[in-house]
Amino acid sequence: RKEVEQDPGPFNVPEGATVAFNCTYSNSASQSFFWYRQDCRKEPKLLMSVYSSGNEDGRFTAQLNRASQYISLLIRDSKLSDSATYLCVVNRRNAGNMLTFGGGTRLMVKP
Amino acid sequence: GAVVSQHPSRVICKSGTSVKIECRSLDFQATTMFWYRQFPKQSLMLMATSNEGSKATYEQGVEKDKFLINHASLTLSTLTVTSAHPEDSSFYICSARKHREAGANTDTQYFGPGTRLTVL
Repeated sequence: RKEVEQDPGPFNVPEGATVAFNCTYSNSASQSFFWYRQDCRKEPKLLMSVYSSGNEDGRFTAQLNRASQYISLLIRDSKLSDSATYLCVVNRRNAGNMLTFGGGTRLMVKP
Repeated sequence: GAVVSQHPSRVICKSGTSVKIECRSLDFQATTMFWYRQFPKQSLMLMATSNEGSKATYEQGVEKDKFLINHASLTLSTLTVTSAHPEDSSFYICSARKHREAGANTDTQYFGPGTRLTVL
């Protein structure tokens, strides 16, 4: 079983739609959680950290459920520019701050 | 934010040659840098952790004699792919860890733009 699992998609949604991605992680020692965005043939870029209490950044909302080892990302009012692959990432501090990446979920926003 | 550069951005080489990729943190010091590899339609896979002034730590299955890592300064790590073969063709990405900033609860990793290696 992969340490971080995501539905690869693609999720095809119209502009303005709300879309949610889920992610599960297997290692209970995971301590920090992130969503990264990766455009085709580019490096990943940090979208947002995920905090236990949930956090919001504009149209993006992230949630963490430690008991279920589950992370989510909600995107409201999707824009064409949101089309990308979204990577769920966990960090185990006892493993030297190593980041473990999920396989990514591809989002395509259509006009 | 912080800036990490990689050079070259793209390299095409013949089988059997060695290729060196540089990763630089431009506006902060990074005692730790990471090297990843990404094959098409797959996620990033950590290859090794590069520690300034000491030996790199390699992930299981990554040959340390084939992928030589040197982290000679706080702003530069290099990855040399020795005797490259077509199966080494991939997207190589480095990241540099910036220590926790005020208000943050963890360190942040910043990624370089990647190097696309094609071995003929």
